[in-house]
Amino acid sequence: DAGVIQSPRHEVTEMGQEVTLRCKPISGHDYLFWYRQTMMRGLELLIYFNNNVPIDDSGMPEDRFSAKMPNASFSTLKIQPSEPRDSAVYFCASSFRNTEAFFGQGTRLTVV
Amino acid sequence: GQQVMQIPQYQHVQEGEDFTTYCNSSTTLSNIQWYKQRPGGHPVFLIQLVKSGEVKKQKRLTFQFGEAKKNSSLHITATQTTDVGTYFCAGPRNNNDMRFGAGTRLTVKP
Repeated sequence: DAGVIQSPRHEVTEMGQEVTLRCKPISGHDYLFWYRQTMMRGLELLIYFNNNVPIDDSGMPEDRFSAKMPNASFSTLKIQPSEPRDSAVYFCASSFRNTEAFFGQGTRLTVV
Repeated sequence: GQQVMQIPQYQHVQEGEDFTTYCNSSTTLSNIQWYKQRPGGHPVFLIQLVKSGEVKKQKRLTFQFGEAKKNSSLHITATQTTDVGTYFCAGPRNNNDMRFGAGTRLTVKP
């Protein structure tokens, strides 16, 4: 397996634009997590899914953020409209029965 | 809600010196995980501790889980330059959502 795959690796967008981050978890994993990492706030859990169902989205900062998992092999995190304070590295991670989490390479988002 | 606190925030050591990072929770944890993130990289799983008082070793790394399952530590013996990175502990707030500590950034002077 190629591991957790995230795209794009880097994204630069203008304030107000819609941004969509994508994640393909490891096949067979039943948990998927979206994290955001910044120097100020560290690694924050935004939302997680179990068997494609969102379980806890209390970490999603605002209504501008939304996440979906239409099937077991794909998830998206969307920001609309984007703001400069959304600039961060966004990680997707997956795990099987919530044991060790495997992280993707991350998407470095810059909103100017 | 449950928070995982980690200290110190930074640690700079001379190569060959030991290093320890500590993780504390306000509530009892069902388990605790440790991750390492190299500069510019992503977190990589190191280990999971489940039992009260558990001690596990991986070469020069020793992981401990407190008797009350509210604290944990990672100790590195005789650090090497390859140990550079940020070490995170993570614990579940409920059952399945791993919340990360702030991390300890380790730098090693050769």
